[in-house]
Amino acid sequence: EDQVTQSPEALRLQEGESSSLNCSYTVSGLRGLFWYRQDPGKGPEFLFTLYSAGEEKEKERLKATLTKKESFLHITAPKPEDSATYLCAVQAGRDDKIIFGKGTRLHILP
Amino acid sequence: NAGVTQTPKFRVLKTGQSMTLLCAQDMNHEYMYWYRQDPGMGLRLIHYSVGEGTTAKGEVPDGYNVSRLKKQNFLLGLESAAPSQTSVYFCASSYRAGGNQPQHFGDGTRLSIL
Repeated sequence: EDQVTQSPEALRLQEGESSSLNCSYTVSGLRGLFWYRQDPGKGPEFLFTLYSAGEEKEKERLKATLTKKESFLHITAPKPEDSATYLCAVQAGRDDKIIFGKGTRLHILP
Repeated sequence: NAGVTQTPKFRVLKTGQSMTLLCAQDMNHEYMYWYRQDPGMGLRLIHYSVGEGTTAKGEVPDGYNVSRLKKQNFLLGLESAAPSQTSVYFCASSYRAGGNQPQHFGDGTRLSIL
């Protein structure tokens, strides 16, 4: 069965304390892996798309990487405004099915 | 740029009532989706559309109907609301399916069924 698992469920960091969020997946025929950011009361906002193992994308303090089994969202020297829920989604199979993980709630303390 | 707009933002219904949620996108996207988001469950696909006049079932379609009469609009209907349908509903659109086409989301409709 196709699955996307994000860990940890929640993470509290001090401002400036770097860390990584994990998205592991078991799917057939990966077409793409997406990272989204979701603020309270808002819809998910697109961050990155990764297509193949070894690929990396960066945006400000965020860097996303991809292997054949998982993706990491690295957060370098985070600020309180980086607090949000980060969602991972995988698109796979002949029918381009999209599967979302349950998200990681990130809280950056000032 | 408006992007994806959902109407209404909040609604409270009584069990058995019906209502329609409206999603409108101004990006000329072919694909549109309806999701529900519940605590601990993540986003689950209800129905989707690959183009004007077409719809298909997602993961949790029971109790919902959809219509895509115009390319820019995707309607989600609840014929007889049940408390289990209390949720936050998100509409999304994408240019087309495929590994390089991210979805763009609206800000949701918060629906409570009493």
